Amino acid sequence: SQQGEEDPQALSIQEGENATMNCSYKTSINNLQWYRQNSGRGLVHLILIRSNEREKHSGRLRVTLDTSKKSSSLLITASRAADTASYFCATDAGQGAQKLVFGQGTRLTINP
Amino acid sequence: DSGVTQTPKHLITATGQRVTLRCSPRSGDLSVYWYQQSLDQGLQFLIQYYNGEERAKGNILERFSAQQFPDLHSELNLSSLELGDSALYFCASSARQGLATEAFFGQGTRLTVV
Repeated sequence: SQQGEEDPQALSIQEGENATMNCSYKTSINNLQWYRQNSGRGLVHLILIRSNEREKHSGRLRVTLDTSKKSSSLLITASRAADTASYFCATDAGQGAQKLVFGQGTRLTINP
Repeated sequence: DSGVTQTPKHLITATGQRVTLRCSPRSGDLSVYWYQQSLDQGLQFLIQYYNGEERAKGNILERFSAQQFPDLHSELNLSSLELGDSALYFCASSARQGLATEAFFGQGTRLTVV
């Protein structure tokens, strides 16, 4: 079963608006990562947030992590058409984990 | 360009056949991960190798096997192929054994079983 579950499954917004995607996970983690995937292509790492961090920024991306609620959010500000992609959260599933476990992803469409 | 190279990019084969997918990790990365992505199952972790040794196993079928060679490239062997094996197969690499850092993904091999 998947460790992370993204919400919503699909999101469609106008260019310039902000997009927020959420991720919930089940077990304790060391870190949580967000990846982006353009249609049919490889995943690209966006940002990593460690379990002792609450918020992290990278350019137009803002990630928050609430370990008490086992959830994370990814905010993309001032969206652009080029942000259209699927976004996945991935967790390392706890101590000694050797694998990244991905959620099902949020498909984001930015309308011009 | 992530630095991870997967070959071939596309593969079409018949049911019952065997194929080998190849992955060259980023220079210096010791860990290699294999994932399967299909429409209805999302990204499924298959197996991980670190410096030639198997480190973690996921939902990998017995018909599938993998190995990592001394030069650190990895191969995923899929045998007795079924229609349901049609998917994108991704390889990823990272510097360390664990995942305290990001993973770099290849562009994938699209396998179509007919």
